[in-house]
Order: sequence, then C-alpha cells, then structure tokens
Amino acid sequence: GIQVEQSPPDLILQEGANSTLRCNFSDSVNNLQWFHQNPWGQLINLFYIPSGTKQNGRLSATTVATERYSLLYISSSQTTDSGVYFCAVARNSGNTPLVFGKGTRLSVIA
Amino acid sequence: DSGVTQTPKHLITATGQRVTLRCSPRSGDLSVYWYQQSLDQGLQFLIQYYNGEERAKGNILERFSAQQFPDLHSELNLSSLELGDSALYFCASSVEFQVPIYFGEGSWLTVV
Repeated sequence: GIQVEQSPPDLILQEGANSTLRCNFSDSVNNLQWFHQNPWGQLINLFYIPSGTKQNGRLSATTVATERYSLLYISSSQTTDSGVYFCAVARNSGNTPLVFGKGTRLSVIA
Repeated sequence: DSGVTQTPKHLITATGQRVTLRCSPRSGDLSVYWYQQSLDQGLQFLIQYYNGEERAKGNILERFSAQQFPDLHSELNLSSLELGDSALYFCASSVEFQVPIYFGEGSWLTVV
C-alpha cells in the first residue's frame, strides 16, 4: 500500500516562530488532507489539497503531486497550535481510504 | 464542529465484554469510515460503508463488525474485548469517494 512519511517527528518552537512540516508519499494521489489533532484528541481539518497551494490565516499548504510531497507552513506560531499534525492521502485509483502518516508533534512554548 | 456525531465519548469496560459505538454522519454524507487510533499503531483504517454497503476493509479484527443503517448512521461493534483494544475510535464521513472527509470527536474506549 501507499506509504506516508512525515518530518520532523517532533518540533518545539518558541511562540511567534515559523515552521514547515513535510509529508512525502509513495504513489500518485487524488486526495491529500492535513489535520491538526489538538490535546483533547479532536481531529480538525486544515486543508484538502491534492495539488496546488492554499492559505488559511497563519497556515498555508502546498502540494507538488508530481514530486509526491506536501508542505504545511505555520507562521507566527501560537501556543494553541500545539498538538499533532497529520498528513493523510488516498491513492489515485478507485475507492481507497485515507492513509495517515505518523504525524509531527508540535509544541509551542510561550 | 465537523457535523459528525459520535457516542459515547468515553467508555470503560472489562475484558471479554462487548460494546457498540455509534456514529451519525454529516447531513448529506453517504460514506462513513471508522478509524482506530492507538498509541503504538497510529491512525488505522478499519472499514468504510457507502450508502449502506461495505466498500473497503482495512485492518479490522474478526471480533469487530460494523454496519450502516438506512438512515445512514453507522455502528461499530467490538466484542470479546482485550486490553489492547483500548484506543480512540473515530468515525468520519464524506459526500462520496475521494473528497474531503470529516472526523467526529471520537470515542475513547478503555478496557480494564
């Protein structure tokens, strides 16, 4: 099956700093989503971005499908950004479920 | 609020018991997915239903079963529970295939 690798596995930032999270995947996809899992366990949709670039406030994401990677940018980080960020993809054939990476655990300290 | 509703939010039960987790998808969504998140296995896909029919199966144990009812809500049944079944169980839904899916808040299951 498709493989999803996220880096870095852990990240500690000072409040106000910027960061880039990366997601590599092993096959062509037609669905790629970024999620934020907050400390209470909730999985929050950030972006649906199988290709191209999107921005939502301090967050933006870029997927280069031909090179099989996606990047999530967090600017001016806040303590509320802490949690685990997951990338999930579905293969570009038929009806296949989302496969999740292992996530990047982000801790933003004041 | 994603619009996906899961009950119960927390559940503690003993080994060998059976539990049922319930999910109501977002209004208009025909596809329901179940995922298990445990500390050592990450987020694992269990099973998917589309408009009442099973469409994809992942790493779901034989002790687990699911169904989607005519009103599109879904239930995940876990039986002969073991300590290792303790996990956060998510339900997600989408309108159809290969579009964004939205997750419920999860059901925390603790087996003691």
